[in-house]
Amino acid sequence: DTEVTQTPKHLVMGMTNKKSLKCEQHMGHRAMYWYKQKAKKPPELMFVYSYEKLSINESVPSRFSPECPNSSLLNLHLHALQPEDSALYLCASSHRNYGYTFGSGTRLTVV
Amino acid sequence: GIQVEQSPPDLILQEGANSTLRCNFSDSVNNLQWFHQNPWGQLINLFYIPSGTKQNGRLSATTVATERYSLLYISSSQTTDSGVYFCGGSEKLVFGKGTKLTVNP
Repeated sequence: DTEVTQTPKHLVMGMTNKKSLKCEQHMGHRAMYWYKQKAKKPPELMFVYSYEKLSINESVPSRFSPECPNSSLLNLHLHALQPEDSALYLCASSHRNYGYTFGSGTRLTVV
Repeated sequence: GIQVEQSPPDLILQEGANSTLRCNFSDSVNNLQWFHQNPWGQLINLFYIPSGTKQNGRLSATTVATERYSLLYISSSQTTDSGVYFCGGSEKLVFGKGTKLTVNP
């Protein structure tokens, strides 16, 4: 298995909703990431988990809450988002000898 | 932090043409990678190439780590090559702004 699987592919949520994005990989990678990508911009790093521990938080607002339940799973919990949070959210995992593998993303719209 | 510059920002080709995309880094990286983002948003890994040259079909890449740049070559381009090409590197995988490639039939 050489894939990173993200669900859901599309999500529309209201500003008072709570939702979660899920990411799964079975390549044995011990580093996992969340990126945010706005239209016509490159992806920007949000969080890094290394060996299931949060190692980097790029000053992301607390309405985004990451969680790494085990070495294969990564979640991003969303609460009280703003319309400007609408974006493509990408999950990735990496191995030092093979680089990064990205999922297909969740396209989030906040209404 | 590290800066990544990609050129050209936009490229329009006729099917069958060749092209070269460039990526410059402001500091040394040991994990340079090239990606193709398709119209549906997926980032597809093309090459993990910290140094040297690799080839995969019509695509090849060369990284000169000592001079902090990498080149992506696309030969005999096809319409399916259209999309945005990103390079990235460093501990936090910082991306360049990308090259938007359009291949016309």
